Amino acid sequence: DAKTTQPNSMESNEEEPVHLPCNHSTISGTDYIHWYRQLPSQGPEYVIHGLTSNVNNRMASLAIAEDRKSSTLILHRATLRDAAVYYCILFQAVSNYQLIWGAGTKLIIKP
Amino acid sequence: DAMVIQNPRYQVTQFGKPVTLSCSQTLNHNVMYWYQQKSSQAPKLLFHYYDKDFNNEADTPDNFQSRRPNTSFCFLDIRSPGLGDAAMYLCATSRSGKSNQPQHFGDGTRLSIL
Repeated sequence: DAKTTQPNSMESNEEEPVHLPCNHSTISGTDYIHWYRQLPSQGPEYVIHGLTSNVNNRMASLAIAEDRKSSTLILHRATLRDAAVYYCILFQAVSNYQLIWGAGTKLIIKP
Repeated sequence: DAMVIQNPRYQVTQFGKPVTLSCSQTLNHNVMYWYQQKSSQAPKLLFHYYDKDFNNEADTPDNFQSRRPNTSFCFLDIRSPGLGDAAMYLCATSRSGKSNQPQHFGDGTRLSIL
């Protein structure tokens, strides 16, 4: 079964870039890579998704390895409000409704 | 703003006493999901509706049921809650459920069992 592997936690300094890694070596060719984050006492919030090419939006950038076995979520300038658990998720095209969640990375931002 | 709203945010019930959690959406999305999230774990999908079509995950206990009377509302019924059902329950929506579309989550209902 497809799954994702993430570090349990990471620390970063405020106003510095953050690179959150994710391994998904069993990804299938049609699986989308999604990232969500969850702030304390809130529901998960969509961050970004991609298939093969790197993606940018107002929240973050997603860099996808050429073989698609790994990806990196990039927060360009972390703020204290970015402290959250970040989930790397595979969204399998063959089971359109289910997200395969990783265990998540707790991001700690130091002022 | 269009959103997914869950009520109540906190719910306390007694062991074995039925409880209903509610979710509403103003996004007019076709798909609504219910997830269970226990402490320090990722959310776990319980079931989803595509319009009125109900889809149960294979490992969702029979104790959990759902109703979707219209596009905007969806309910999670727990018939006889046990201590192991204490968790955060999250409702989410997506436009059509396709893998290139995001899911939009509510802020959840935290259920406690006495």
